[in-house]
Amino acid sequence: EAGVVQSPRYKIIEKKQPVAFWCNPISGHNTLYWYRQNLGQGPELLIRYENEEAVDDSQLPKDRFSAERLKGVDSTLKIQPAELGDSAVYLCASSPRTGGVETQYFGPGTRLLVL
Amino acid sequence: QQQVKQSPQSLIVQKGGISIINCAYENTAFDYFPWYQQFPGKGPALLIAIRPDVSEKKEGRFTISFNKSAKQFSLHIMDSQPGDSATYFCASYNDFGNEKLTFGTGTRLTIIP
Repeated sequence: EAGVVQSPRYKIIEKKQPVAFWCNPISGHNTLYWYRQNLGQGPELLIRYENEEAVDDSQLPKDRFSAERLKGVDSTLKIQPAELGDSAVYLCASSPRTGGVETQYFGPGTRLLVL
Repeated sequence: QQQVKQSPQSLIVQKGGISIINCAYENTAFDYFPWYQQFPGKGPALLIAIRPDVSEKKEGRFTISFNKSAKQFSLHIMDSQPGDSATYFCASYNDFGNEKLTFGTGTRLTIIP
């Protein structure tokens, strides 16, 4: 079974530039998560989707971050404009069912460096 | 707001020894406590998890000990091996709250020969 796929794996941009990350979850997984992991820290949830619906985006900085999950499958996370403090690893995870705790399967992440 | 405190930040253990990582939580509504293992360049992967209705869960060389009254839980790795060298994160989850995993800050474990 293929795991969670993320691209790109690495991205270096200058501040104020836009950037986008893509995630393809495990086939059949209804729930998709985007996390941000700062250096030396645990992942922090940015947004959670149940199928196409964003059910928890309370931690998403909506002034510069946006996300979409069209057709309830793959998802894109965008930052515009990027700031120096956005340098982090952006992790995508998926789990098989909606509601309740389920094992979350993480992708390898996209490492973003903002200069 | 940090709701899960993890220690130590880093740990060096000799091969064959016991590695112990501790976590403390604040929110008594948490009812699921997983441990994740993360290798460099990889995403975290679920290692073992426990619910508060039991005080201990063992899977192979990995054991979670849970103390509900103290709001603490710990991961024990028996017969630690160099392949166990990774960063370990504890986490807490509230089934009936915001259904969000809250991670600790991580422990970098190094197993030396």
